[in-house]
Amino acid sequence: EAGVAQSPRYKIIEKRQSVAFWCNPISGHATLYWYQQILGQGPKLLIQFQNNGVVDDSQLPKDRFSAERLKGVDSTLKIQPAKLEDSAVYLCASSLVAGVDEQFFGPGTRLTVL
Amino acid sequence: KQEVTQIPAALSVPEGENLVLNCSFTDSAIYNLQWFRQDPGKGLTSLLLIQSSQREQTSGRLNASLDKSSGRSTLYIAASQPGDSATYLCQPNTDKLIFGTGTRLQVFP
Repeated sequence: EAGVAQSPRYKIIEKRQSVAFWCNPISGHATLYWYQQILGQGPKLLIQFQNNGVVDDSQLPKDRFSAERLKGVDSTLKIQPAKLEDSAVYLCASSLVAGVDEQFFGPGTRLTVL
Repeated sequence: KQEVTQIPAALSVPEGENLVLNCSFTDSAIYNLQWFRQDPGKGLTSLLLIQSSQREQTSGRLNASLDKSSGRSTLYIAASQPGDSATYLCQPNTDKLIFGTGTRLQVFP
């Protein structure tokens, strides 16, 4: 069974530029999560989708971050414009049923904002 | 608001020791609790998932216990090996998904 796929693996941009990350969850997983992990900290949930609907986006900085999950499968996370403090690893995870099943994580995208 | 604390923050031990990693949380109304390991520069790997109705879960040399009423989970690692070196994270699963800051483990030969 293929795992959670993410791309790109690394991205370097200058502040005020925009960037987008892509995630393909495990086949059949209804729930998809985006986390932000700053160096030395645990991951912080940005947004949770159930199929193509948003369950929780309370910690998503909506003035600059946006996410979508069209057709309830792949998802993209966008930052526009980026700030220095957005430098982090962005992790995507998926699970069959939220609150019941294991979360499986992708390898992450390391973003550096200069 | 859920707060998750992991103790110790870092641990360095010789190979072969049995280890105890602790996770405490303030909101005991959890659905389940998941333990992960994270290698440097990598994503998270799921180790164990304990449902709220369970007291413990075992996988190989790993055993996780859960005391929901007191807001605690413990991860036991038996006969530690250098390959166990990683950061270990716990996540109590409520309506809000919060991670602890992790325990950074180093096992030396």
